[in-house]
Amino acid sequence: ELKVEQNPLFLSMQEGKNYTIYCNYSTTSDRLYWYRQDPGKSLESLFVLLSNGAVKQEGRLMASLDTKARLSTLHITAAVHDLSATYFCAVQGGNQFYFGTGTSLTVIP
Amino acid sequence: DTAVSQTPKYLVTQMGNDKSIKCEQNLGHDTMYWYKQDSKKFLKIMFSYNNKELIINETVPNRFSPKSPDKAHLNLHINSLELGDSAVYFCASSQELAGQLNSPLHFGNGTRLTVT
Repeated sequence: ELKVEQNPLFLSMQEGKNYTIYCNYSTTSDRLYWYRQDPGKSLESLFVLLSNGAVKQEGRLMASLDTKARLSTLHITAAVHDLSATYFCAVQGGNQFYFGTGTSLTVIP
Repeated sequence: DTAVSQTPKYLVTQMGNDKSIKCEQNLGHDTMYWYKQDSKKFLKIMFSYNNKELIINETVPNRFSPKSPDKAHLNLHINSLELGDSAVYFCASSQELAGQLNSPLHFGNGTRLTVT
């Protein structure tokens, strides 16, 4: 079974600071997805990364994929409170999606 | 115009009961899934189902059975509920595209199951 690990599991950061969330996976895949989940809510798709070197940006979030290293990063620039949520990466294996452990982000004013 | 809808949103029941969760998607997607999210927010695939086959996760107890009357519906039936079944269950769907690529998962709003 494909294994996906994220770190950190918990992240508390001040507004205005930058930070990176890491997502490692165990077997070859060139399809990686990032999702956001607000407390008590469903998961919302943020980014789809489909090839080595892919980079996507939306607002203060930027995601990248290195398939050779089996690593994706989600970089947060100048965090704001509205970014507080849990972020998941997911890797596609066959027609199944395997999720990371999630990173619970809290942005402190 | 909800894309993936599941009912009920909350389900409280006693141990030993049998319950069902319904899921419908109006996106025309080929593949539907059930995920279990535990109290630590860990998401685990339970089943995936498309026009061709049902894929069963071997770690799922056989008390759990998916039923798909058509490709827009994937219901989850649970027999003899146990305390450890308490979790949030998410239905999701995706579209099979060219080259074995799937669109991102579209999730329902979840069903919070509490077994007492």
